[in-house]
Amino acid sequence: QKEVEQDPGPLSVPEGAIVSLNCTYSNSAFQYFMWYRQYSRKGPELLMYTYSSGNKEDGRFTAQVDKSSKYISLFIRDSQPSDSATYLCALAGTYKYIFGTGTRLKVLA
Amino acid sequence: EAGVVQSPRYKIIEKKQPVAFWCNPISGHNTLYWYLQNLGQGPELLIRYENEEAVDDSQLPKDRFSAERLKGVDSTLKIQPAELGDSAVYLCASSLSIQQETQYFGPGTRLLVL
Repeated sequence: QKEVEQDPGPLSVPEGAIVSLNCTYSNSAFQYFMWYRQYSRKGPELLMYTYSSGNKEDGRFTAQVDKSSKYISLFIRDSQPSDSATYLCALAGTYKYIFGTGTRLKVLA
Repeated sequence: EAGVVQSPRYKIIEKKQPVAFWCNPISGHNTLYWYLQNLGQGPELLIRYENEEAVDDSQLPKDRFSAERLKGVDSTLKIQPAELGDSAVYLCASSLSIQQETQYFGPGTRLLVL
């Protein structure tokens, strides 16, 4: 079993839709939970990180962590064509930092 | 403030040739990471430096890969000899030592081995 599972997509949505991106993980030792955005031919860019279970909001983005279910989500409200990218979840614990495979998102104008 | 700088951006070589990638992290970032990213996959850690010390190189294929960060600032990753399967994007990232959950990535070097 992989330590982190992420649906690779691709996910296509119309402009203005609410997008839900998810990862599940197996190791309860992970303490930090991150979401990165990666545009084509660019390096990943940190969007959000959170430590505790619950929600964290930043503009149109909301990160949600459920440690009891080992499930993390990123919600994008009012999605825009400029949000079209690959979204990677990442988990960090003591001396360990792993990425999901990424979900490709395309927002159609 | 300048971000993480990597060069070259693209490299095409023939198999069995050597290749080197260079990375300059964000100023003040003690921790430097080299990752490998295959198409459709997330980055996979190759090596992590704290200043000039390699503190995690367990995933670095040491028979052909080597890395150095001599003065604790910029770093070089080398492959010798390159194999076809090494074709990938090599990403460098940096972070403050106490905030390793927030890593900042460079644009990567896209390597194609023919």
